[in-house]
Amino acid sequence: QKEVEQDPGPLSVPEGAIVSLNCTYSNSAFQYFMWYRQYSRKGPELLMYTYSSGNKEDGRFTAQVDKSSKYISLFIRDSQPSDSATYLCAMSARSTLTFGKGTMLLVSP
Amino acid sequence: NAGVTQTPKFRVLKTGQSMTLLCAQDMNHEYMYWYRQDPGMGLRLIHYSVGEGTTAKGEVPDGYNVSRLKKQNFLLGLESAAPSQTSVYFCASEPLGTRPTDTQYFGPGTRLTVL
Repeated sequence: QKEVEQDPGPLSVPEGAIVSLNCTYSNSAFQYFMWYRQYSRKGPELLMYTYSSGNKEDGRFTAQVDKSSKYISLFIRDSQPSDSATYLCAMSARSTLTFGKGTMLLVSP
Repeated sequence: NAGVTQTPKFRVLKTGQSMTLLCAQDMNHEYMYWYRQDPGMGLRLIHYSVGEGTTAKGEVPDGYNVSRLKKQNFLLGLESAAPSQTSVYFCASEPLGTRPTDTQYFGPGTRLTVL
């Protein structure tokens, strides 16, 4: 079992939909959780980060961490075609990052 | 600022050939990383550096060597390329003091094909 599991998708939604992206993990030492967005043929860029359990909101994006279930989520409200990208979760135990495989999101107009 | 740049953008090698990928950052970042990204495998760490003159192995270091002679540059070398090294290679840098959030800034990638 890989340390971080993420459904590769693709996930196709219409514009305006609420999107839920998820990752599960097995390493209980992970304390810091990040979401990166990667557009086609570009490098990943940091979208959000959270520490330990709880929610964090930034505009249309909400990151949620449930350490008891070893489960993290990224919610995108009012999704836009410009949100079409691959979303990678990443985790750290104060050392190097471990990435999920990424979920491809397609938002159609 | 150019941020993180990678040279070359594309390269085709024959099995057994060698090459060096160059990563440069102009943000005075302390940490630098080399990843490879393969379909269905996500981003995997090859080697990293926590400062000038230092390097460390990541998850998939075999077949690669690195050097960090200058703070702004991180070189990734393939001594004898194999088809299994066909991938997209990303370099990233991280400033000192952002830990533990690990705010890494990525370059645009190098697409390498080994025939």
